[in-house]
Amino acid sequence: QSVLTQPPSVSGAPGQRVTISCTGSSSNIGAGYDVHWYQQLPGTAPKLLIYGNSNRPSGVPDRFSGSKSGTSASLAITGLQAEDEADYYCQSYDSSLSVFFGTGTKVTVL
Amino acid sequence: EVQLVESGGGLVQPGRSLRLSCTASGFTFGDYAMSWVRQAPGKGLEWVGFIRSKAYGGTTEYAASVKGRFTISRDDSKSIAYLQMNSLKTEDTAVYYCTRLPSGYDLNNWFDPWGQGTLVTVSS
Repeated sequence: QSVLTQPPSVSGAPGQRVTISCTGSSSNIGAGYDVHWYQQLPGTAPKLLIYGNSNRPSGVPDRFSGSKSGTSASLAITGLQAEDEADYYCQSYDSSLSVFFGTGTKVTVL
Repeated sequence: EVQLVESGGGLVQPGRSLRLSCTASGFTFGDYAMSWVRQAPGKGLEWVGFIRSKAYGGTTEYAASVKGRFTISRDDSKSIAYLQMNSLKTEDTAVYYCTRLPSGYDLNNWFDPWGQGTLVTVSS
């Protein structure tokens, strides 16, 4: 059972902005550990989207942005596109010497 | 090109063992910590465990759900990471992904890249 909670689904029309929250606790995000985000397109392996709370790897469009505050983090997608339809997961280290992924959020483009 | 390729998945009976392999290419394998992540059918991602580079002792950490049953090892001469799974349970059924950390020792990091995954089905 994950200790990082995400909304099960979010949706938006093409061109709109959507945000995905990732809520943790004082033993992970709130302890100062970084949050990372992954995109998983249907039938494929996860792909790194954001690392170190707000950094984009080379090749990731600047439509994707991340932020962190307190015991939570957020992923924002601006200018939503059809190809953004996927599952998104946050990830953080925990002081229990373990790594946790968020519960996952399915993004639907209307 | 950095690449990770998993192999060894398949159908196995409960209580039996299975060993997965992750063959790396395109980077100096021995410099990096490696990790395994699994995904049960229709479910989310679950971290399984990781192994540090030999420079940091090659030590391991595991998720509570697999500790004592799963063992991660590495052969730097062959650029392969292994996941030995013993006493398998039906709830271990999942796609198992191999992935790399950006350093040799720190689990407080991200995973990139990922392999394509290999399916393990535990059933009688």
